[in-house]
Amino acid sequence: QKEVEQNSGPLSVPEGAIASLNCTYSDRGSQSFFWYRQYSGKSPELIMSIYSNGDQEDGRFTAQLNKASQYVSLLIRDSQPSDSATYLCAVNGNTGKLIFGQGTTLQVKP
Amino acid sequence: SAVISQKPSRDICQRGTSLTIQCQVDSQVTMMFWYRQQPGQSLTLIATANQGSEATYESGFVIDKFPISRPNLTFSTLTVSNMSPEDSSIYLCSAKGQGNTGELFFGEGSRLTVL
Repeated sequence: QKEVEQNSGPLSVPEGAIASLNCTYSDRGSQSFFWYRQYSGKSPELIMSIYSNGDQEDGRFTAQLNKASQYVSLLIRDSQPSDSATYLCAVNGNTGKLIFGQGTTLQVKP
Repeated sequence: SAVISQKPSRDICQRGTSLTIQCQVDSQVTMMFWYRQQPGQSLTLIATANQGSEATYESGFVIDKFPISRPNLTFSTLTVSNMSPEDSSIYLCSAKGQGNTGELFFGEGSRLTVL
């Protein structure tokens, strides 16, 4: 079992729709959870952080965490073509190291 | 967030040679990390660069192949030694942000192609 798992996609949504990206993790002791966006040929950019159960909202982005289910999600409202990228889920466990999922490719179609 | 500069941004290298990647952070940071991202893949942690002591390597990575230096709290280097085409990858330097929130910030990466 991988430590952090994501569906590689591609996930295709029409412009203006809600994109839902999911991530599961195996280490129950994980404390910090992050979503990074990576455009092709670029380095990862941090877009959301979440540390406790529930929702964390920032503009069009909402991160959701359920530690009991070991599940993190990212919702992107009013998706735009500029949101087309690979989204990486990252989990920080007790070791202090950040472990990344394989990423989900999102395609927002005009 | 920390601003991280890496160089070179890209290079084409010959098999059997070595290349050193430099990473400069605009503020003092305790922990710096080196990741590799192979084509179409996610990020894999190579090692943690510790200031004043040897780097801590992840399983599958060894010091002879990926020697790391960390002479101070703002700078680190990663050398990819005796390169083969399998080492063609993007190498990313990262550092933790201020505070204890665990988030990492990345440099722009160094894209190496080994012929």
